[in-house]
Amino acid sequence: QQPVQSPQAVILREGEDAVINCSSSKALYSVHWYRQKHGEAPVFLMILLKGGEQKGHEKISASFNEKKQQSSLYLTASQLSYSGTYFCGTNVGGGADGLTFGKGTHLIIQP
Amino acid sequence: NAGVTQTPKFQVLKTGQSMTLQCAQDMNHNSMYWYRQDPGMGLRLIYYSASEGTTDKGEVPNGYNVSRLNKREFSLRLESAAPSQTSVYFCASSRLRDTQYFGPGTRLTVL
Repeated sequence: QQPVQSPQAVILREGEDAVINCSSSKALYSVHWYRQKHGEAPVFLMILLKGGEQKGHEKISASFNEKKQQSSLYLTASQLSYSGTYFCGTNVGGGADGLTFGKGTHLIIQP
Repeated sequence: NAGVTQTPKFQVLKTGQSMTLQCAQDMNHNSMYWYRQDPGMGLRLIYYSASEGTTDKGEVPNGYNVSRLNKREFSLRLESAAPSQTSVYFCASSRLRDTQYFGPGTRLTVL
């Protein structure tokens, strides 16, 4: 089942902060965050694993609440380059069986 | 390193025609994936290959076949294209339980 992302869209001024949420009805092994610009491929931002391990972009932080099966991506002091669509992808079993993606959150950063 | 490469970048087919989308990675990853992306739907998994010699169905496999030619290459075949297969197709690869790296995509239109 597809994870639910919120909000669907956000418009910010440069320098403002944003939080994007991802919620699943299934017990998760990992949550992956990607950013995609129009006409381009998704680009890896963060991976959060069951048990607390995480790795990814230095300037972006995220959390994973294993009890609630929820993850949040925190974008602080946003820059114009942060604009794009953010996707969370979830993996249930920890195997190599691919990710189930949410429908995305559109983020627009204005000068 | 080129990462993940896909060919062709664009393709227009008529209903009923067949074609093969090619994907190759040079990161020595065991796992490879095919996703399709439609407006407002996020990315959906078509097929995946956990390791060389194995392939499995994902969320939306109908109308597609795949071949894991070797560790580097994973192809997606449309035997009889339909307008519903108009989409952007992304190939990805990863190590087990690690982030997935995406290719640039193939934009397919079926008339």
